[in-house]
Amino acid sequence: QTVVTQEPSLTVSPGGTVTLTCASSTGAVTSGYYPNWFQQKPGQAPRALIYSTSNKHSWTPARFSGSLLGGKAALTLSGVQPEDEAEYYCLLYYGGPWVFGGGTKLTVL
Amino acid sequence: EVQLVESGGGLVKPGGSLRLSCAASGFTFSSYSMNWVRQAPGKGLEWVSSISSSSSYIYYADSVKGRFTISRDNAKNSLYLQMNSLRAEDTAVYYCARVVDYWGQGTLVTVSS
Repeated sequence: QTVVTQEPSLTVSPGGTVTLTCASSTGAVTSGYYPNWFQQKPGQAPRALIYSTSNKHSWTPARFSGSLLGGKAALTLSGVQPEDEAEYYCLLYYGGPWVFGGGTKLTVL
Repeated sequence: EVQLVESGGGLVKPGGSLRLSCAASGFTFSSYSMNWVRQAPGKGLEWVSSISSSSSYIYYADSVKGRFTISRDNAKNSLYLQMNSLRAEDTAVYYCARVVDYWGQGTLVTVSS
């Protein structure tokens, strides 16, 4: 069974920079896994932030960026705002099925 | 404006069945693969199933394979999820989604006696 692993929790100060990562149990994450990133706040549906590794949607704030880093997919938030406190999920494509990571709870403190 | 509106959730007994629907609007539904994603209370997101634009390719998570059936009606701009042999662990909010961009608000399925 394929497992996608994210940091369970991270804390960042307002205005700071933080990087969330997403690893696959099958090996290095490449662009072929079409990494996606989502933000979810309590009581809300997930909101898509990044698709295909590094592409932003029209609604994605500029401070969010996606990349590949050391065999993992990565989401970097630069100049973190209090409203960025949320759960973040990555999603990887396995040639048919998709698999979500377990999520990272980001605290802005 | 893209809209995805789920319906059909509710309370069902273990072993029972339920059919979820998703009404799509604001885009050419027949051109997109569609997905169901669920989230158990207090838990993370779980991809459930996907169907290609013409229904040629269908995939399921191992946790629902053999019990759930995804389908679509492009003429009605609708996506469906037939859920049989429901278990307590299927209790979740079920989202209809294009996944990479647009999601519905979800419909709650509760499996309990």
